[in-house]
Parts: sequence; C-alpha cells; structure tokens
Amino acid sequence: QQPVQSPQAVILREGEDAVINCSSSKALYSVHWYRQKHGEAPVFLMILLKGGEQKGHEKISASFNEKKQQSSLYLTASQLSYSGTYFCGTALNTGNQFYFGTGTSLTVIP
Amino acid sequence: GAGVSQSPSNKVTEKGKDVELRCDPISGHTALYWYRQSLGQGLEFLIYFQGNSAPDKSGLPSDRFSAERTGGSVSTLTIQRTQQEDSAVYLCASSVSKTSYNEQFFGPGTRLTVL
Repeated sequence: QQPVQSPQAVILREGEDAVINCSSSKALYSVHWYRQKHGEAPVFLMILLKGGEQKGHEKISASFNEKKQQSSLYLTASQLSYSGTYFCGTALNTGNQFYFGTGTSLTVIP
Repeated sequence: GAGVSQSPSNKVTEKGKDVELRCDPISGHTALYWYRQSLGQGLEFLIYFQGNSAPDKSGLPSDRFSAERTGGSVSTLTIQRTQQEDSAVYLCASSVSKTSYNEQFFGPGTRLTVL
C-alpha cells in the first residue's frame, strides 16, 4: 500500500528544475506532499484531490493523474532552501487510511 | 503552544525495558497518527486514531507495540520488552478530521535509543 517515489535522490544546482514522481498500485482519493529537512519534522506542502481540487502553497506546483494513480511535484528555479527529503502521502478513500511514500532526497547546491 | 507536542524528546533505554511515548495533538484535531522513522529512512505508518478508536492498527510491527488515546486528545504509544531494532524516531501527527483532504501537523518526534 506504500506509494513508490522516484527518483530516490537528486542533486540540483540553484536555479535548476526538478520533478519528483509518486506512484500507487491502488486507486487514490488524494495525494499529499510534504518536505522534511534534516533533523526536523515533515512540513505540509500541498494536497491534490480526486476531481481536481488542490490545497496548499501557491509557489508549489503538482499534478495528479487519477487514472494512472500517479502524482508529480514540480520544483522550478530551485533555491538552496528547497533541499530536504520530499514525501508523497496517499489516501485511498475519504477516511483516514494514509500512507507515505518512500521519499526523495533533494539537494540543491550553489 | 498551538502545535503538536511529544514527550520525551529523547529516550535511552536498555533492551527488555518498557517505554511510553506521549503525544499531545492540536486541540480539536480528531485524527491522530503514529509513525516510525529509522535513520535515513521513510515514514513507517504504525497506527491511527479517529477520536479514541483505532480503525487501523495494521502498521504495528508486533504485539509488543500498543497505543491508546483518551478523551479524544492525548495518545500514548507503548513498547514492551524493547529491542535494539526499535531504535528510531517516533513521530506523531494530527489533523482536523478526515486526513484525506486535510494536512497533517507533525510533532518534533521522540528519539528512542535501545542499548
């Protein structure tokens, strides 16, 4: 039930773009994205709901393909502060069953 | 404070001892989650509560692990007869209601070290 993320790790130079993917074998109701910096707790970025609704930070861009049970997080013009581990989380229904993905480590270098 | 709090922040124990980890969710949040994160690893789901009931305990690794929530608020995760493989950071998170469309707020975690 745990979604799979790709890539596992990516290194970017400041200003470059990146895409992080999240894939599930189950039909999804929503996909969530969180970022965790080293030694800190995960912080919410955004939620993408079945039907197209999105909630979250305006500067974050993501997509949700309901048919393929896939989501992608788009990080453009990366900044040093974007470094961290990104987790997707998936809800299979409108209840509270929720599973985080395997994580993607993102490092932005000057 | 207004956030999720966890105690203790660090716990060092000897193999075979029992430990209790506490989580105070944000007031009014009905959903509460426990996760385990080993060094450099992802977030392993353990259990979640809706109110005081736990509809999904499927993530608990063994019968040494148990959790309860009282008054729709504070939750305690208990690990009996701790083993070295239990060493990890235990994170608690809460959300307003249905997590499917509400964000989770995480506590700072409890770092458990089993010697």
